[in-house]
Amino acid sequence: DTGVSQNPRHKITKRGQNVTFRCDPISEHNRLYWYRQTLGQGPEFLTYFQNEAQLEKSRLLSDRFSAERPKGSFSTLEIQRTEQGDSAMYLCASSPNGAQGAVSNQPQHFGDGTRLSIL
Amino acid sequence: AQSVTQPDIHITVSEGASLELRCNYSYGATPYLFWYVQSPGQGLQLLLKYFSGDTLVQGIKGFEAEFKRSQSSFNLRKPSVHWSDAAEYFCAVGARGTGRRALTFGSGTRLQVQP
Repeated sequence: DTGVSQNPRHKITKRGQNVTFRCDPISEHNRLYWYRQTLGQGPEFLTYFQNEAQLEKSRLLSDRFSAERPKGSFSTLEIQRTEQGDSAMYLCASSPNGAQGAVSNQPQHFGDGTRLSIL
Repeated sequence: AQSVTQPDIHITVSEGASLELRCNYSYGATPYLFWYVQSPGQGLQLLLKYFSGDTLVQGIKGFEAEFKRSQSSFNLRKPSVHWSDAAEYFCAVGARGTGRRALTFGSGTRLQVQP
């Protein structure tokens, strides 16, 4: 179990630029989640994948944000035309399927996040 | 929609003292409940979880939490705090039986440990 890996750890960019983050989940986990965490707050859910299918999206995920998981393994989160308010820690998590009939009873394992700073 | 309240933003305890961090949730049924810990610049590490059954759950690092349905609470406890426990602690709830996978987190409690 190598854990959830996120790259880069830090990203500094100018307002208006596009950025892309990568998440590699734990290898046997088919569920993948993205969260955003601002200073002094808990993580806020952005989106969720079951294998390659994006099944749930938060209203926080504006049209400037897009997430993909093309082969059901790693995922990317892209932010276009970045704004000051996008500065945050972006966290990825993964979990295995729950037992048959269970819905969401498997705990999510988090990576160390990508910290985005917008100049 | 579910919500989580952690009433204490910041707590300071002496090393060796006992600890209780409060968590109250709002949800129409019994949710899944979690406690995570986050060190500065790091991701979140799962301390313990409650799904069903025994309302007192044991976790890693000597932590435990008790689910009290009547109080909609899931408080985290540790009998003797170590300096390495200084971190931010987050309570989270997950929906049960809805198909939604998102966790809803509280705003966290920062724990400081005095020598």
